[in-house]
Amino acid sequence: ETGVTQSPTHLIKTRGQQVTLRCSSQSGHNTVSWYQQALGQGPQFIFQYYREEENGRGNFPPRFSGLQFPNYSSELNVNALELDDSALYLCAMGLGAFDSGANVLTFGAGSRLTVL
Amino acid sequence: AQKVTQAQTEISVVEKEDVTLDCVYETRDTTYYLFWYKQPPSGELVFLIRRNSFDEQNEISGRYSWNFQKSTSSFNFTITASQVVDSAVYFCALSEAMAGANNLFFGTGTRLTVIP
Repeated sequence: ETGVTQSPTHLIKTRGQQVTLRCSSQSGHNTVSWYQQALGQGPQFIFQYYREEENGRGNFPPRFSGLQFPNYSSELNVNALELDDSALYLCAMGLGAFDSGANVLTFGAGSRLTVL
Repeated sequence: AQKVTQAQTEISVVEKEDVTLDCVYETRDTTYYLFWYKQPPSGELVFLIRRNSFDEQNEISGRYSWNFQKSTSSFNFTITASQVVDSAVYFCALSEAMAGANNLFFGTGTRLTVIP
């Protein structure tokens, strides 16, 4: 167990719907990142939050958005779901400099989203 | 642009055999970090090791060892005397020091199956 909890573990949505995924940590991690992992692929960076603001984004459209709460928990929201959004969504918590590539990230077990 | 290549998609070995997982990376930055993560069937990514670009010393941790060679842009991972519990997908990842975020670029992973 990594100490990073994600919910729900599995969910099914239809195209055009909206989804909210959640992530929480037992420790006081100060950054949270979200990754998308398509089947058979490596995780891809969606964005990172630090002090409740987005401070880095990968190549994902604005319909992917997030929140970081004062207790360091986080949400990932995806609007207007598309079939290609089907993937495992991983939350990663970090502790340290928010703009450094050196941090070791602690990952949750992910939320598997299926879009029909 | 950053790139991580794991040419071995799947590897099968018999228990107690040694196995090496290859990783080749590309980056224009002079300061960067390389990681290996393990993803068991449960889904979470488990951190194994981090190396920075200025430290080419090989590292050994129990049955695990890592060989970092800047001259060939490689960061290979060897498991000695493999065990069934080593069965998982292994990801090599790259992070640049001035990425502005905890942004890991992952390879596509190598699925290791250890046969009893």
